Amino acid sequence: NAGVTQTPKFQVLKTGQSMTLQCAQDMNHEYMSWYRQDPGMGLRLIHYSVGAGITDQGEVPNGYNVSRSTTEDFPLRLLSAAPSQTSVYFCASSYSRSPGGTEAFFGQGTRLTVV
Amino acid sequence: AQSVAQPEDQVNVAEGNPLTVKCTYSVSGNPYLFWYVQYPNRGLQFLLKYITGDNLVKGSYGFEAEFNKSQTSFHLKKPSALVSDSALYFCAVRRGSGGSYIPTFGRGTSLIVHP
Repeated sequence: NAGVTQTPKFQVLKTGQSMTLQCAQDMNHEYMSWYRQDPGMGLRLIHYSVGAGITDQGEVPNGYNVSRSTTEDFPLRLLSAAPSQTSVYFCASSYSRSPGGTEAFFGQGTRLTVV
Repeated sequence: AQSVAQPEDQVNVAEGNPLTVKCTYSVSGNPYLFWYVQYPNRGLQFLLKYITGDNLVKGSYGFEAEFNKSQTSFHLKKPSALVSDSALYFCAVRRGSGGSYIPTFGRGTSLIVHP
């Protein structure tokens, strides 16, 4: 049982390049989300999904796209990388809304640098 | 809207002394509250949660948290700190019913335990 797997762990991009951050979970969780972590800013929600085929914007969605074609995968696409997107990105998944399973499971993170 | 405030960027405590990391929240309706810990270069790990019931919640590694509805607080505590507790701690809140069920995180508090 791998939990939440993110790839790559590190990435350097040039301004204007595009790339996809991968996230996969094997726990059959309905909810998946992407956060970015910046010093002094905590975790900020980029996009989230409440099930396959359903996505919505979070607090800082500009410059990012997501899709959820399967329960397991939730990739994050950077359309045209900018230095302001230099950050550590975390993918998380969680159970349904029931009280017994509401905590989030996080991946190990992707450290992205845009030069 | 839901929000979390962690008023201290850093908490310093001597090993063996009790520790408290503060968290206050704002959310419509009944809150679901969480604490997570992040060690360097790692993802967030779940510590404990409050859903309903007893206001004192016990979690992993000897941590506990007290839910105070009147003060809208959910402070993290431990009776005797260890050097290995040094890490970044995040409080999170989400609505108990309705809304997106995606939690909002605080900015994090760095806990430093001195030998």
